[in-house]
Amino acid sequence: SQTIHQWPATLVQPVGSPLSLECTVEGTSNPNLYWYRQAAGRGLQLLFYSVGIGQISSEVPQNLSASRPQDRQFILSSKKLLLSDSGFYLCAWSATGGYAPLHFGNGTRLTVT
Amino acid sequence: AQSVTQLDSQVPVFEEAPVELRCNYSSSVSVYLFWYVQYPNQGLQLLLKYLSGSTLVESINGFEAEFNKSQTSFHLRKPSVHISDTAEYFCAVRITGGSYIPTFGRGTSLIVHP
Repeated sequence: SQTIHQWPATLVQPVGSPLSLECTVEGTSNPNLYWYRQAAGRGLQLLFYSVGIGQISSEVPQNLSASRPQDRQFILSSKKLLLSDSGFYLCAWSATGGYAPLHFGNGTRLTVT
Repeated sequence: AQSVTQLDSQVPVFEEAPVELRCNYSSSVSVYLFWYVQYPNQGLQLLLKYLSGSTLVESINGFEAEFNKSQTSFHLRKPSVHISDTAEYFCAVRITGGSYIPTFGRGTSLIVHP
């Protein structure tokens, strides 16, 4: 069966520090991968998605970036965090095909101080 | 482009009462429809999905949703809720044969009181 791992679960970082969140998927190949952010009391904001190694699409211009160095690895990064980057970050994967649902990781709670 | 509207941001209900969480969508093409549930500090979990066939779909924990093409709706229902159903519920749509990107509603917070 397929599983998705996302870490760390919680993170407290000062303003201006770098960020690296990692997500890996097991049990499937060539998944679509997604990074979402969820601000307190609000819905999901799609940040990045990827349909293959090295293929990243950005939905929202900001100081975050994403990379997909391997088929089942998706990394969210920032060189300098802002206070507004605080939130709950969710990684997800899906099989190719519009009928396929998304499967989410357990999320990372990021607090920028 | 498609869009999803969850009409209620919060739905309070007493335990063992029935509940309906509303979801309407707009799309110029056929869609696939999904409901997800999110418990506090966790990721979203797929609750149920409509791909084709029977318009009434059910989950293993007593929820059901009915696809109504004429009303462009996919409302979620449960005849008798439990305290443990307290969570955030998200409706989502993906268009057939198209974008990799699902569109999510803003979520409905179901609060079950004892």
